[in-house]
Amino acid sequence: QKEVEQNSGPLSVPEGAIASLNCTYSDRVSQSFFWYRQYSGKSPELIMSIYSNGDKEDGRFTAQLNKASQYVSLLIRDSQPSDSATYLCAAERFQGAQKLVFGQGTRLTINP
Amino acid sequence: EAQVTQNPRYLITVTGKKLTVTCSQNMNHEYMSWYRQDPGLGLRQIYYSMNVEVTDKGDVPEGYKVSRKEKRNFPLILESPSPNQTSLYFCASSRFSGRVGETQYFGPGTRLLVL
Repeated sequence: QKEVEQNSGPLSVPEGAIASLNCTYSDRVSQSFFWYRQYSGKSPELIMSIYSNGDKEDGRFTAQLNKASQYVSLLIRDSQPSDSATYLCAAERFQGAQKLVFGQGTRLTINP
Repeated sequence: EAQVTQNPRYLITVTGKKLTVTCSQNMNHEYMSWYRQDPGLGLRQIYYSMNVEVTDKGDVPEGYKVSRKEKRNFPLILESPSPNQTSLYFCASSRFSGRVGETQYFGPGTRLLVL
C-alpha cells in the first residue's frame, strides 16, 4: 500500500461545476497535509495546507481533513479551464525534519 | 524576487559522465530538498538538508550525492549517471527545518536524459 494514494484520473469536470479531488494516507502520525497544483512541464505550487480536522476555505478552494478516516480532499468551486492541471496531495511526516510524502497526483481537466 | 533556481533546466548526457545540477535559493531558508518525479510514481525525495553541513538521505538516494557548504546552495551530484536516472528533478526549500507544517517552495525543474 502506498503511503499517500490518489486516483490518477483523468478527472473531467465541466466549467462552472465543483471538482472534487481525494487523497488517502496510511501513516497516522502525519500531522499536516498539502495540496499542490502542477501544470504540465512546470513545478508544483502550493494551493492549500491543512493541519486540523474539518474544512479550510480559501477563495474557490476548500480543503477537508478527516484524520479518523485518514482522508484529505480538495474541492474547487466554479471550476475554470485554468484549473486544468495535475493536483498533488502530500502528507507531512515529521521526524526531526519535515518530510513530504506525495501521492502520484490526479490529472484534472475542466471542459469549457 | 524570492525564488529557487536550478541549472541546467535541460540536460542530455551519456552513461557514466559525472554531472552536477545546481540549486540556489535567495530566501535564507534552512531546509532544502531534492526530488525526482517519474510518471506514475509521483515526487520522491532523494536527499534533504536541514542546514549548512547537515544532509540526510531521502527515499531514493542511491546513485546521488549532495553537499551543503553554503546556506543558499544545495547541488545534486550524479557521479556515474545511468539511464534509470532519467527523470525530472526538482529542488525545494522551506524556511525552517524544525517546524511542522512549513511550506516547501519548488524550483523550476531540471529534465535529465541519460543515454
